[in-house]
Amino acid sequence: GAGVSQSPSNKVTEKGKDVELRCDPISGHTALYWYRQSLGQGLEFLIYFQGNSAPDKSGLPSDRFSAERTGGSVSTLTIQRTQQEDSAVYLCASSSPLAGLYEQYFGPGTRLTVT
Amino acid sequence: AQSVTQPDIHITVSEGASLELRCNYSYGATPYLFWYVQSPGQGLQLLLKYFSGDTLVQGIKGFEAEFKRSQSSFNLRKPSVHWSDAAEYFCGGLYNFNKFYFGSGTKLNVKP
Repeated sequence: GAGVSQSPSNKVTEKGKDVELRCDPISGHTALYWYRQSLGQGLEFLIYFQGNSAPDKSGLPSDRFSAERTGGSVSTLTIQRTQQEDSAVYLCASSSPLAGLYEQYFGPGTRLTVT
Repeated sequence: AQSVTQPDIHITVSEGASLELRCNYSYGATPYLFWYVQSPGQGLQLLLKYFSGDTLVQGIKGFEAEFKRSQSSFNLRKPSVHWSDAAEYFCGGLYNFNKFYFGSGTKLNVKP
């Protein structure tokens, strides 16, 4: 079984453009998290999906950020009208707590640079 | 509200010295507890985890952590630090089989 994958690994975009970041969780994992890690900073929680429940969006920093998870698997994080302060590494993690897989498995991240 | 706290932002220890990184969790139901490490330029790797039972858990790379309910703590320890342990360490907790919470991280610097 493959681990969590994220694409692209690096993304450079111009200020004001929209970007989409993709996360493929481990097959069968019901929980999926997005985090942001700015340079030298800790993990900033963005959004959490658990099964078919409504996502917990409490960490999204502005309405420019949105995420969806299709079919309970792949997730896409979209940032509209990017700003320079959006530059960071975006990490995705998955787990399956209801199946006894409590720890999070992290992807390698997408490094976003807004110029 | 559920939360996990790491009081120390930076810690510096000499190589060969012992290490203790602090982690506290908020009151309420005891979460399942974890420690992760992020080496420079690397992803997050699970060091160890605590669910129940023996309060002293062993992890990879010679790390251990002790769960203390009376202090709401889950501190990470290592008897002798190696230069390769320089990294950022994150404590996390899973509450009610639901949402995961991370602390803000502790950056460990190892002096030669």
